[in-house]
Parts: sequence; structure tokens; C-alpha cells
Amino acid sequence: DGGITQSPKYLFRKEGQNVTLSCEQNLNHDAMYWYRQDPGQGLRLIYYSQIVNDFQKGDIAEGYSVSREKKESFPLTVTSAQKNPTAFYLCASSQTGGETQYFGPGTRLLVL
Amino acid sequence: DQQVKQNSPSLSVQEGRISILNCDYTNSMFDYFLWYKKYPAEGPTFLISISSIKDKNEDGRFTVFLNKSAKHLSLHIVPSQPGDSAVYFCAANKRDYKLSFGAGTTVTVRA
Repeated sequence: DGGITQSPKYLFRKEGQNVTLSCEQNLNHDAMYWYRQDPGQGLRLIYYSQIVNDFQKGDIAEGYSVSREKKESFPLTVTSAQKNPTAFYLCASSQTGGETQYFGPGTRLLVL
Repeated sequence: DQQVKQNSPSLSVQEGRISILNCDYTNSMFDYFLWYKKYPAEGPTFLISISSIKDKNEDGRFTVFLNKSAKHLSLHIVPSQPGDSAVYFCAANKRDYKLSFGAGTTVTVRA
């Protein structure tokens, strides 16, 4: 049963702390993405990866970092430099660029 | 700079009637358009897409219409069902890796 999994479902961050959100896909897709959703807004692209060991900044990359060491995995780290991290984070994948993107269930990040 | 706009934040429709959701875009380079449905605290689910070489695409109760000259697309849901109550996002792509999303329209289907 192919799909995208994200963990944890909820994550709490203390001031000055880095936290990492997990994203795994078994769809054999080459491209993976991270988006952020704030209340009343659409999704905004943080980072994307076209292929293993390659990634590019999206529209709002400041305060975030990613890695792509395996085709199936694209973890996102929210660093202490991200001053407003409270949001709903969504991971997606697609076969290639320009193809339909499919989304995971999301992670809600809250700041303590 | 919002390149994809959904100007109606909400829509209320009676069960069994048609829901029409609208979306406008400004970038003439967009050539692939998608609609997603999203429930609270869940990821968006892909509904239907349309390429710029077409003006209509249909899938069951869902039909998307594209008017390239007006830079406008719409999603028709017929008939509307209670399970259709959700937020609907319009998205556009230049056949690269970046999807541009609208802010969403919340649909409420009344019994």
C-alpha cells in the first residue's frame, strides 16, 4: 500500500531548539517537497529535492534545512533561526517535476 | 506575490446541488492546474487536474474547466454531498517543481 508517512503528528519545540520532522515515501518517486501551511493561507514551498543528494530552496527556506540521503526519505529540520515556526508542515512527492504531487498527513509544530 | 487567487474564502451549498469553485491566475506560463481537497489536520488529497491544452476534464462528480484567455479555472461538483465539506485548494504549475497554491475555499454542504 503505497503512500507518504510523516512523523510525529504533533511536535513541540522549546525556544532555541532544533527539531526534525520525518517524511518517508514508498511510491518510488524521484521528487520530494516540504510545504508550510498557516491559518487562512495556501501552502508555501520550503524546500524541494529533484533527486537523491540534491535539493533546492523554495520560497520560504530561511530557518529550515533538509537532507536527501535516500530516495525514500526527506527530513526537514526547523532550526532556532526560524522565528515563527508554529504551523502545519506537509511533505509531498511526485514522479518528476511537473507531475501531480501527493501529500502526507502532515505534522503540527507548536512552540512551548 | 500571489499568482493563484481564490477570491471566495467560503461557499455554502445545499446537498444535491452544484458547487462551483473559482480560481484565477496571473502567470501566463502556468500550463498544468490541479485541485486538492483538504480536511482539517490532514494532508491535501489530489482531486483532478487539467493541462493547458484542454478546456475541460471530468472525473465522476468533479469537472474542471479552464479558460486560458481569462486566466480562470473552475471546479464543479455535482451533486454535492456532505462528505464534500472541506477546504479546496487550486494549484498551478509551469511543468517544473514549484506548485503555486491559492488560499483555499471552504465548502460547507448543508443537509
